[in-house]
Amino acid sequence: EDKVVQSPLSLVVHEGDTVTLNCSYEVTNFRSLLWYKQEKKAPTFLFMLTSSGIEKKSGRLSSILDKKELFSILNITATQTGDSAIYLCAVEADNYGQNFVFGPGTRLSVLP
Amino acid sequence: DGGITQSPKYLFRKEGQNVTLSCEQNLNHDAMYWYRQDPGQGLRLIYYSQIVNDFQKGDIAEGYSVSREKKESFPLTVTSAQKNPTAFYLCASSPGTSGRASRGTGELFFGEGSRLTVL
Repeated sequence: EDKVVQSPLSLVVHEGDTVTLNCSYEVTNFRSLLWYKQEKKAPTFLFMLTSSGIEKKSGRLSSILDKKELFSILNITATQTGDSAIYLCAVEADNYGQNFVFGPGTRLSVLP
Repeated sequence: DGGITQSPKYLFRKEGQNVTLSCEQNLNHDAMYWYRQDPGQGLRLIYYSQIVNDFQKGDIAEGYSVSREKKESFPLTVTSAQKNPTAFYLCASSPGTSGRASRGTGELFFGEGSRLTVL
């Protein structure tokens, strides 16, 4: 059965700290790994990763994928209170058509 | 503008009633999905559809039903058989499998969600 695991499940930091969120997966027919940020309602897209070792960056956020060890990390530097959210990791698998498997999410709280 | 529209945003239901959540997209996406999210948890797949007139059960399909009569629309019915229907429901779409390249097809696009409360 396809599975995505995230750690930690919950994290509390202070503004300015750097955080690393983890996502590991076991899926057959891997196609891509995606990171989303969910604040109140709809998740918003952050990154899509398909190749190992290539870092993707967007401002203070960055992410990298290791397809050999089957994991990805999401880094947030100089955190701000606006970074408080649930961060979801999803893996796109090609099983009888396109399918996305989500992890449980990491709830990040950034305190002022 | 292109996007996904879910309605209603909030819905209250009495036990024993069926309710239907609407999901419409104008992105010309082939694939559509319904997820359920409980407080503090990730997304669990209820049903998905890769093409019109075809859909597949996800991990938690019991007590739910869907239809895909049009490419743009993928309504979800929460039936009285669903034992614990109070949750946040998210609809999503993606380009799908037709004519895609060998790499990932891109991200899921989400609607704003529908919060169902059973009284």
